[in-house]
Amino acid sequence: DVKVTQSSRYLVKRTGEKVFLECVQDMDHENMFWYRQDPGLGLRLIYFSYDVKMKEKGDIPEGYSVSREKKERFSLILESASTNQTSMYLCASGSPGQGAYEQYFGPGTRLTVT
Amino acid sequence: GQNIDQPTEMTATEGAIVQINCTYQTSGFNGLFWYQQHAGEAPTFLSYNVLDGLEEKGRFSSFLSRSKGYSYLLLKELQMKDSASYLCAVPNAGNMLTFGGGTRLMVKP
Repeated sequence: DVKVTQSSRYLVKRTGEKVFLECVQDMDHENMFWYRQDPGLGLRLIYFSYDVKMKEKGDIPEGYSVSREKKERFSLILESASTNQTSMYLCASGSPGQGAYEQYFGPGTRLTVT
Repeated sequence: GQNIDQPTEMTATEGAIVQINCTYQTSGFNGLFWYQQHAGEAPTFLSYNVLDGLEEKGRFSSFLSRSKGYSYLLLKELQMKDSASYLCAVPNAGNMLTFGGGTRLMVKP
């Protein structure tokens, strides 16, 4: 059974703080993704990684960075949190060889920036 | 680029059948996904269509027409637990999924 875990379910941070969201998957997947989900806007891709130390920008990378030092772990970093980054953040992983692009999602982190 | 449209909300009655439509525009088709997402939870995979036609999986079926850029998810014998958002998604190059805004389905007794 695939498992994708995220470090926190709920997080409250202040404007200007540096925020780390951690994601770990246990299925040896090559690909990992960070999305944010907002009402009316659906899921939007922030960054993805197809290998260790590799990263690619998604649709909305501004204000975010990522780190993938190990295959199982993909971190999303908000260098200086702002109120417009209040959102639900979802991590996903997948492997090119399985289910053609199918992705497995973590439970999500609801981040509130005050 | 890619564009995906699906209705924002639908309401149906327990025991009934509901069809959730999705239209898409994409350069280079690599299949279409449907995910289910209960409130406050992660999306979970429902179906993947790459060829035209209907694929049935228990109470849920998914249909694809590539020439029309159209898919639907059919839910039969609706149960209260089917109340959720249903997300349509298409992959582009490099394993990236583009999601529609999701259809929030409310099942009433």
